[in-house]
Amino acid sequence: KAGVTQTPRYLIKTRGQQVTLSCSPISGHRSVSWYQQTPGQGLQFLFEYFSETQRNKGNFPGRFSGRQFSNSRSEMNVSTLELGDSALYLCASSLEAGEVYEQYFGPGTRLTVT
Amino acid sequence: GDSVTQMEGPVTLSEEAFLTINCTYTATGYPSLFWYVQYPGEGLQLLLKATKADDKGSNKGFEATYRKETTSFHLEKGSVQVSDSAVYFCALIGSNYQLIWGAGTKLIIKP
Repeated sequence: KAGVTQTPRYLIKTRGQQVTLSCSPISGHRSVSWYQQTPGQGLQFLFEYFSETQRNKGNFPGRFSGRQFSNSRSEMNVSTLELGDSALYLCASSLEAGEVYEQYFGPGTRLTVT
Repeated sequence: GDSVTQMEGPVTLSEEAFLTINCTYTATGYPSLFWYVQYPGEGLQLLLKATKADDKGSNKGFEATYRKETTSFHLEKGSVQVSDSAVYFCALIGSNYQLIWGAGTKLIIKP
């Protein structure tokens, strides 16, 4: 069974631009969560989607948004990029909502904002 | 609020040495505890977990015991290998039912 895939793996953007990252969960998994990983703040939860609905949200500004499609694939969008948004963005999938015990992580998208 | 504190890295050991990575937590009640590992260029993988006090999680030679008295969940391995070089994260399920992570500890094993 294929694992969680994230595209693109690397991205360079300029301050003020917006970016969209994509995540394809493991086949059959209906929940997708997003995390931000930075050297300074560590790993922080962004949001969780289940059945195309945002189920849970971390403490991030409204510039960070996401959505989930009917095939469970998810995208996250960051608008008006800031230098501090440079990070590794990780996606994790699980069968059902809230199953943090059984999350499987993708390799991440490395975003660099210049 | 809920938090996890890990020992700072990097931790550098020789092959076959004994490993301990300390992890302590602050939380309401008795949350489930986890160790995740992140190999270079890869995503996080669940290494082991413990869901209640005195539980011992184990996997791939690694062990950790849930100690409610000391609010700790230290990771141990009796004999490390070069292939164990990675970043290790301690985590708990917070009050919002999402993972609260430690800062991570980089482990370097030298042949």
